[in-house]
Amino acid sequence: NAGVTQTPKFRILKIGQSMTLQCTQDMNHNYMYWYRQDPGMGLKLIYYSVGAGITDKGEVPNGYNVSRSTTEDFPLRLELAAPSQTSVYFCASSYSLAGGHLSSYNEQFFGPGTRLTVL
Amino acid sequence: AQSVTQPDIHITVSEGASLELRCNYSYGATPYLFWYVQSPGQGLQLLLKYFSGDTLVQGIKGFEAEFKRSQSSFNLRKPSVHWSDAAEYFCAVGPMDSNYQLIWGAGTKLIIKP
Repeated sequence: NAGVTQTPKFRILKIGQSMTLQCTQDMNHNYMYWYRQDPGMGLKLIYYSVGAGITDKGEVPNGYNVSRSTTEDFPLRLELAAPSQTSVYFCASSYSLAGGHLSSYNEQFFGPGTRLTVL
Repeated sequence: AQSVTQPDIHITVSEGASLELRCNYSYGATPYLFWYVQSPGQGLQLLLKYFSGDTLVQGIKGFEAEFKRSQSSFNLRKPSVHWSDAAEYFCAVGPMDSNYQLIWGAGTKLIIKP
């Protein structure tokens, strides 16, 4: 049971390049999340998904896209990288039996993060 | 606006000493409250959470936290720290509004002196 895995661990991009951050979980969790962590700041939610085929914006979605074609995978796409997207990115997942808004407050399981630098 | 404040960016304690990490929140009603820990090179892990009831909450790894409504605080404590407790600790709140997404503090980095 690997939990939540993220690839790559590190990446340097040039301005305007695109890339996809991969996230996979093997716990059959229905909820998945993408956060960014900037120095001296708390985690900011980028996008989240409550199940395959369903995604929604978080607090800071601009410049990012996501998809959720399977329960296991939740990739995050950066189309035109900008220096403001330099950050550490975390993927997380959680499980809710009943669903509903408060399901977001079930324990979230995090991946080890991807450190992205845009130059 | 809702916010979470962890006033200490770094805290250094000696191994075996007691620990208290502070967390204050700004919110009109009592939110759900969480502490997560991030060990070096790892993702975040839930230590404990408060939803309602007893204001003293026990968590994993010997940690506890106390909710004080009058002070809008949810401080994390441990009576005796171990070198393996060196990590970054994040407080988060879950507001009871239409967003239902966690609001995170900036984190406190705990350094353990041998």
